[in-house]
Amino acid sequence: SQTIHQWPATLVQPVGSPLSLECTVEGTSNPNLYWYRQAAGRGLQLLFYSVGIGQISSEVPQNLSASRPQDRQFILSSKKLLLSDSGFYLCAWSVLKYYTFGSGTRLTVV
Amino acid sequence: GENVEQHPSTLSVQEGDSAVIKCTYSDSASNYFPWYKQELGKRPQLIIDIRSNVGEKKDQRIAVTLNKTAKHFSLHITETQPEDSAVYFCAHSGGGADGLTFGKGTHLIIQP
Repeated sequence: SQTIHQWPATLVQPVGSPLSLECTVEGTSNPNLYWYRQAAGRGLQLLFYSVGIGQISSEVPQNLSASRPQDRQFILSSKKLLLSDSGFYLCAWSVLKYYTFGSGTRLTVV
Repeated sequence: GENVEQHPSTLSVQEGDSAVIKCTYSDSASNYFPWYKQELGKRPQLIIDIRSNVGEKKDQRIAVTLNKTAKHFSLHITETQPEDSAVYFCAHSGGGADGLTFGKGTHLIIQP
């Protein structure tokens, strides 16, 4: 069966520090992969999506970036975090329109 | 995908009553309409979805209706129970791989 792993679960980082969140998928090949962000009490905002290795599409301009070095690995990064980067980050994968979310990373920038 | 409007933002109903949440979209290419339930601090979980070739789908106490002409779809929960309390999100997507576009969520509160 397909599973999605996302870590860390929680993270507290100072302003200006770098960020790396990792997401891996098991049990499927060539999935579409997504990074979403959910600010406190808000909906989910699509940040990046990828349809294959090295293929990244950005939905909103920001100081975050994404990479897909392997078929089932999706990484969200930042060189310098801002206070406004705080939120709940969710990785997701989809095959044939069926989406599954990871357990999320709660990032607090202080 | 284009935006989706979700109403209401908060809904409080008595246990046992029905709850209805509505979403309106504008992208005529949208053909997939899922609903997610998110409990506090947890990931969204798919509870029901509908594709554009049907008008209604039901799964026990949960149903979704779709009106493609009017571009709106609704979630119906009957015989509500305390465990139905959560935030519910509608979403939609078109034919591409560019992900789901989510509504802003409805905080459903079931009053005992």
